[in-house]
Amino acid sequence: AQSVTQLDSQVPVFEEAPVELRCNYSSSVSVYLFWYVQYPNQGLQLLLKYLSGSTLVESINGFEAEFNKSQTSFHLRKPSVHISDTAEYFCAVSDAGGTSYGKLTFGQGTILTVHP
Amino acid sequence: GAVVSQHPSWVICKSGTSVKIECRSLDFQATTMFWYRQFPKQSLMLMATSNEGSKATYEQGVEKDKFLINHASLTLSTLTVTSAHPEDSSFYICSARVPGGNRYEQYFGPGTRLTVT
Repeated sequence: AQSVTQLDSQVPVFEEAPVELRCNYSSSVSVYLFWYVQYPNQGLQLLLKYLSGSTLVESINGFEAEFNKSQTSFHLRKPSVHISDTAEYFCAVSDAGGTSYGKLTFGQGTILTVHP
Repeated sequence: GAVVSQHPSWVICKSGTSVKIECRSLDFQATTMFWYRQFPKQSLMLMATSNEGSKATYEQGVEKDKFLINHASLTLSTLTVTSAHPEDSSFYICSARVPGGNRYEQYFGPGTRLTVT
C-alpha cells in the first residue's frame, strides 16, 4: 500500500516569487510519481510525471519536480510564478508494475494562490 | 484531445433515492475508467476501476451494492449511488485511460458534487 502526504494545504505567494509545493510518499515497492493541477471548475490535468530515467522532470509551463528516493520526496518547484498558476495541485503515486498498475493514490492537495 | 465530461455537475437528492452520474470520454474510446470520491479538504480516494464489458473492480471498503458501476460502452461509464444517505454527499470524479497511450496517464472529468438531504 502507498500513501502520499502533501505537507502544506495552502501556499500563498506573490507573483514572480519562487514556490515549492512539498510531497512525500510512502511505499514498499517501486513507484511512479505524478503532479496534477486542478484549475477552478475543471478536471485534474497531468502536470508532470516521473517514470524512470532522470530524476528531474519538467513541465511545459516552467514547473519542475525532482524525485528523491532516499528522502521519498517529489517536491514541485517553480522559480517565478504567475497569477495564472493559481490552482490546486495534487501529488500522486502509482505502483510501478504489478497488477495494480495505473491506480493512483493521491495526496490531500495544496492550494496555490498567487497574489499580484 | 482526451476530454472527459461528467453529468450532472451538481445534484441534490433526497435521502433514500438513487442518483446516476455519467462519465463520458468525448474524443476517444476508453476501455478503462476510474471512479474517485473526494471529501472536503481531503484527497481523492479511488472507489473502483471500470472496464468496458466486464464487472467493475472495487477497492476495499467500497460497497458494491451501493455504488453500482456500469461501463456498457467504450465512451460511457455510469456510477449509481443507490439509496443515498447524507453521508454519501461528496464530490465524485471519474477518469479515463487512453488506449495505447501511457498506461499510467489518466484524463479526469470535472467532477460531480452530490448533496443528499
